[in-house]
Amino acid sequence: ELKVEQNPLFLSMQEGKNYTIYCNYSTTSDRLYWYRQDPGKSLESLFVLLSNGAVKQEGRLMASLDTKARLSTLHITAAVHDLSATYFCAFGQGAQKLVFGQGTRLTINP
Amino acid sequence: DARVTQTPRDKVTEMGQEVTMRCQPILGHNTVFWYRQTMMQGLELLAYFRNRAPLDDSGMPKDRFSAEMPDATLATLKIQPSEPRDSAVYFCASGSGRAAEQFFGPGTRLTVL
Repeated sequence: ELKVEQNPLFLSMQEGKNYTIYCNYSTTSDRLYWYRQDPGKSLESLFVLLSNGAVKQEGRLMASLDTKARLSTLHITAAVHDLSATYFCAFGQGAQKLVFGQGTRLTINP
Repeated sequence: DARVTQTPRDKVTEMGQEVTMRCQPILGHNTVFWYRQTMMQGLELLAYFRNRAPLDDSGMPKDRFSAEMPDATLATLKIQPSEPRDSAVYFCASGSGRAAEQFFGPGTRLTVL
């Protein structure tokens, strides 16, 4: 079965702290995607990781991919309240299909 | 400003009624996806099309759901008859190329009473 597991599913943290969200997937894939969803809104693409060892950074967010371990991480540095959202990872399967994880609901408290 | 558009944004209907949701993909994107999002099941892929041809609709209840792409600028998802368990947010997304990310529309929030 094609599965994506995110850990943790819920995360409450304080502003200024660092934390990492983990994404494990069940089958070989060379494409990993991270999305952000604010409450009541659509999904916004954050990162596309296309090779083993790929690392991408945007502001306080950094994503990495280890295809051998079937693991991607999303690292948050010095969190700010504006980063509160639900974060989804998804891996590519077949030509263009994506398999999504359950999402990690991140709450950042002042 | 290239965006995926969806109509309607909100739909409230009664059980047994037909519901049609529409999606306009980003111009030039050749692949269109339909997803359903609920609290219990998360984000589920219902169906997707490439170059207007259906590639996979295994996630869709066949007896009541149908998806079509009458032209390159319009994708539709129909539910007939609708049931309360169909209440969810339905997202359309489009993309182009094997590795490209999918761009999501704003969603249609469906409530079936």
